[in-house]
Amino acid sequence: LVLTQSPGTLSLSPGERATLYCRASQNIVSSYLAWYQQKPGQAPRLLIYGASTRATGIPDRFSGSGSGTDFTLTISRLEPEDFAVFFCHHYATPPQNTFGQGTKLEIK
Amino acid sequence: EVQLVQSGGGLVQPGGSLRLSCTGSGFTFKNYGLNWVRQAPGKGLEWISYIDTSGFTIYYADSVKGRFSISRDNVKNSLYLQMDSLRVEDAAMYYCARVGQLWSPGWFDPWGQGTLVTVSS
Repeated sequence: LVLTQSPGTLSLSPGERATLYCRASQNIVSSYLAWYQQKPGQAPRLLIYGASTRATGIPDRFSGSGSGTDFTLTISRLEPEDFAVFFCHHYATPPQNTFGQGTKLEIK
Repeated sequence: EVQLVQSGGGLVQPGGSLRLSCTGSGFTFKNYGLNWVRQAPGKGLEWISYIDTSGFTIYYADSVKGRFSISRDNVKNSLYLQMDSLRVEDAAMYYCARVGQLWSPGWFDPWGQGTLVTVSS
């Protein structure tokens, strides 16, 4: 299974809405899809699991949706601290864990 | 606070060995599966190994199979990655990551802070 994220880079301004995509090459069972945010020099941080469940402490401007092969991470109104790289992740019985290549969200 | 703290890593010559450690706190360590994930400089995330709660079920990515060995000590709340026959392409930031729920498969949360492995002569 391959996860393809788009776009590779997204240039937006604070206050705008961001939509990031993750497409799987095969159907993902039970919506085993997570999203992580990674800032420079930091470890990834869990944002969303089960395709749409926000992790503890994640602001409600972050939302996830989708099923099957197409998934979306939406940030409703960008804050300055949101700019980072975002990865989607299909968590499956090992060794089937797969990450997307990442989307860089940069300030326009 | 639920956290994983990593140690080990550093500079090693090709063909050499290194051992990474990851210590958990703030949760019942023995109840969770654990993973190692690496990230080459400027690149994406690559899952490399998983170990279940007992240490009896283990998986590796093909890229490290036969060279890396994962283990855990539930008394010391610690996870280990023994890396042998290191190659230049193994150079990366290595992260430990807990399965986010009491059963697998699961998302990864939390992550360790990362430890850098450099392979160079």
